[in-house]
Amino acid sequence: DQQVKQNSPSLSVQEGRISILNCDYTNSMFDYFLWYKKYPAEGPTFLISISSIKDKNEDGRFTVFLNKSAKHLSLHIVPSQPGDSAVYFCAAWEFNYGQNFVFGPGTRLSVLP
Amino acid sequence: DGGITQSPKYLFRKEGQNVTLSCEQNLNHDAMYWYRQDPGQGLRLIYYSQIVNDFQKGDIAEGYSVSREKKESFPLTVTSAQKNPTAFYLCASSRPGQNEQFFGPGTRLTVL
Repeated sequence: DQQVKQNSPSLSVQEGRISILNCDYTNSMFDYFLWYKKYPAEGPTFLISISSIKDKNEDGRFTVFLNKSAKHLSLHIVPSQPGDSAVYFCAAWEFNYGQNFVFGPGTRLSVLP
Repeated sequence: DGGITQSPKYLFRKEGQNVTLSCEQNLNHDAMYWYRQDPGQGLRLIYYSQIVNDFQKGDIAEGYSVSREKKESFPLTVTSAQKNPTAFYLCASSRPGQNEQFFGPGTRLTVL
């Protein structure tokens, strides 16, 4: 049973518009959430994170929102750029689980020029 | 420059052969990890090591083995017991108490 879900395998957005990538989780003990971006044949790179005690974290064009009661987080990219086209993985971390992360299956974002 | 290296980028092996994937980091990180990525399944943890000479099984350790004799190195052996070894393998590392993992570029293993 997947603890971290990304129900949209793919998403297409026009350049300049907002991209919203969603992630749902089932384990209420998760303490920390991260978003990674991955280009084909490369390793994921860290994008942005949020602690479970916060509901929003912003870094430039990227904002992550956390709704703990709904066990839902989302990544907003504004404005979207063609270089943002990649697979985005949501990951969750639980303190009592050591330093191990649970990754979602990923959402492929395509930003169309 | 500090980072994680994985070699080779592409690897081909015949069925029934063991193969070892290299992972080296010069970030002075204590913890290292091996993941496997399959289409539509995200990243699944194979093995992890929090400290030299110690490692633990992840979610899908069957058919794999690791060693951690040096802090900088965490090689993964894909044995002939692994039923479906063709995949993209990612190595990562992190510092204790740090919530972010740094990933290597990955190795795509194809078993013919």
